[in-house]
Order: sequence, then C-alpha cells, then structure tokens
Amino acid sequence: GIQVEQSPPDLILQEGANSTLRCNFSDSVNNLQWFHQNPWGQLINLFYIPSGTKQNGRLSATTVATERYSLLYISSSQTTDSGVYFCAVRGSTLGRLYFGRGTQLTVWP
Amino acid sequence: DVKVTQSSRYLVKRTGEKVFLECVQDMDHENMFWYRQDPGLGLRLIYFSYDVKMKEKGDIPEGYSVSREKKERFSLILESASTNQTSMYLCASSWGGRTGELFFGEGSRLTVL
Repeated sequence: GIQVEQSPPDLILQEGANSTLRCNFSDSVNNLQWFHQNPWGQLINLFYIPSGTKQNGRLSATTVATERYSLLYISSSQTTDSGVYFCAVRGSTLGRLYFGRGTQLTVWP
Repeated sequence: DVKVTQSSRYLVKRTGEKVFLECVQDMDHENMFWYRQDPGLGLRLIYFSYDVKMKEKGDIPEGYSVSREKKERFSLILESASTNQTSMYLCASSWGGRTGELFFGEGSRLTVL
C-alpha cells in the first residue's frame, strides 16, 4: 500500500500563530484529503485536494502531486483548531484510503 | 450535506457477547468502510464494501465480519467480543471509483469488559 508520513507529529502554538503541516506520500494518488478530528472523535472534512491549492477561511492546502506531498496551512490559530489533523490518500487500489498517523495540534490561549 | 450515521456513540459490552455496529449513509454512496482507531496505531481499515453484498478485507479483519444487504447500510459484527476489541470504530462512505471524497460518521466508542 501507499505510505503516508505526516510531520510534525506534535505541534504546540499560542493563539494567533501560523503553522504548516506536511504530508508526504510514497506513490501517485487519485485522491488526497485533509481531516480534523474534533475532541469527540469525529473526523471532519477540511479539503479534498488531489492537486493544486484551495483555501477555506483561515485554512488553505496545497498538493504537489508530482513531488508527492501536500501542505496544510493554518493562519491565526485559535483554540478551537486544537485536535488531530490527518492526511489520507487513495491510489490505484479501488476504494480504500491510506492514512497518516496525524499531527496533534494544541493551541493555547 | 452528506450524513453518515452510526447507531451508537458509546457501548459497553462483556467478553463473549455478539456486538453489532450499524452505519447508515444518505448519499447513495457505493463505497462504505469500517475503521478502528487506537492510540499510537492511527486508523486501521477493518473491512470495506464497494457494492451491495460485496465486501473486501482490510488490514485487520480478524475477529470481525460485515454485512451489506442494502446500499445505505453497512454493519460491523463482532461475533464474540474480546477486550482487545475495545476501541473507537469509525464508519465512512464515498462515491465509487478511485476519486470519491470520503465522509465519516461520528464514531462509536466500544468498551469490552
């Protein structure tokens, strides 16, 4: 299967700071998604971004498929941004996505 | 909006009990998935289904079975629950093929005593 590596594993910020989360993957992909897991455990869709750049409010993401990485940018962090951020990719295998181990983000007031 | 609904948020069961975890989606998605999530191990795929009555084993199918009799419903069955199946279980669905966006339910936290 496709190997997905996320960095850093842990990130601690003060409110208002900016951050960049990285996702590297080992093969070409047809689908790449970023999720945020809230404190109750639900995975919330942030971006569906197999290539290119997207923005949604304070969050944006860029995937460079030819170089096999994606970046998630969080600007002006808020305490509600805390949680685990997952990257997941789907390659040529029908159906399944492969997940990274996640980045645990903690934002202090 | 896509809605994936898991029947129970929290369950407590005893060792040896048969456990059913139900998942229903309202978007006519072809693909449905069951993952489990454990600290330090990330999300691991148990089973997935790409059509009614079709199923494929994921990475950790041992001790589990699944049922997909209707397109909107995908059930995970623990025939005889064990303490090492205490975990967070996450159901997801997507359109068919290789590009469909995945949507998750709220999760079911199972404790086996």
